[in-house]
Amino acid sequence: SAVISQKPSRDICQRGTSLTIQCQVDSQVTMMFWYRQQPGQSLTLIATANQGSEATYESGFVIDKFPISRPNLTFSTLTVSNMSPEDSSIYLCSVVGQILLRDTEAFFGQGTRLTVV
Amino acid sequence: ILNVEQSPQSLHVQEGDSTNFTCSFPSSNFYALHWYRWETAKSPEALFVMTLNGDEKKKGRISATLNTKEGYSYLYIKGSQPEDSATYLCAFITRDAGGTSYGKLTFGQGTILTVHP
Repeated sequence: SAVISQKPSRDICQRGTSLTIQCQVDSQVTMMFWYRQQPGQSLTLIATANQGSEATYESGFVIDKFPISRPNLTFSTLTVSNMSPEDSSIYLCSVVGQILLRDTEAFFGQGTRLTVV
Repeated sequence: ILNVEQSPQSLHVQEGDSTNFTCSFPSSNFYALHWYRWETAKSPEALFVMTLNGDEKKKGRISATLNTKEGYSYLYIKGSQPEDSATYLCAFITRDAGGTSYGKLTFGQGTILTVHP
């Protein structure tokens, strides 16, 4: 299992500014993922944070808007840049072990509830 | 784009009622199907990891079934209690070309359950 500390838990930000969200894991994990849930929508994968290389972004998400750092196997940050009201969402980080073994689950941070005004 | 659908979107029941939710997913390249419970301001918590067609799993008053050939899973809650109020998420995991999965989850929209005392 893994325990993830995610912060901030919530924030209200002005449009045009940036917010950096941090996730700290209590053990070394290979894969870290960043998800977003816009109001009324599914949790959607933004990107996979890779240690030692650039993040891998899903279709519709770009590095300039959501830069990610992964300096080691226990920590990652996601920045939401140049925010607009459409970025108001819950952001979640998630981890799995070496690979996702078939009978194991993913673990999540507590989420960051972002409101852009 | 993988399509994972959950129904109903929301559900209001009285304490003591039994209820069930549906998750439909692609029937090809199946690796695993997860159910999570997500309470406000908390981390999503795994309920079940289901991997084999015909799987039936139970945890207390909650149980789930899996049909990978037709692409659906049911989650049942017997004798609902107010503490069961939460969002219930299913997540589909695809088998990659190597026969495993690196851990990317595709979520349904969730079912919001409210249990009234």
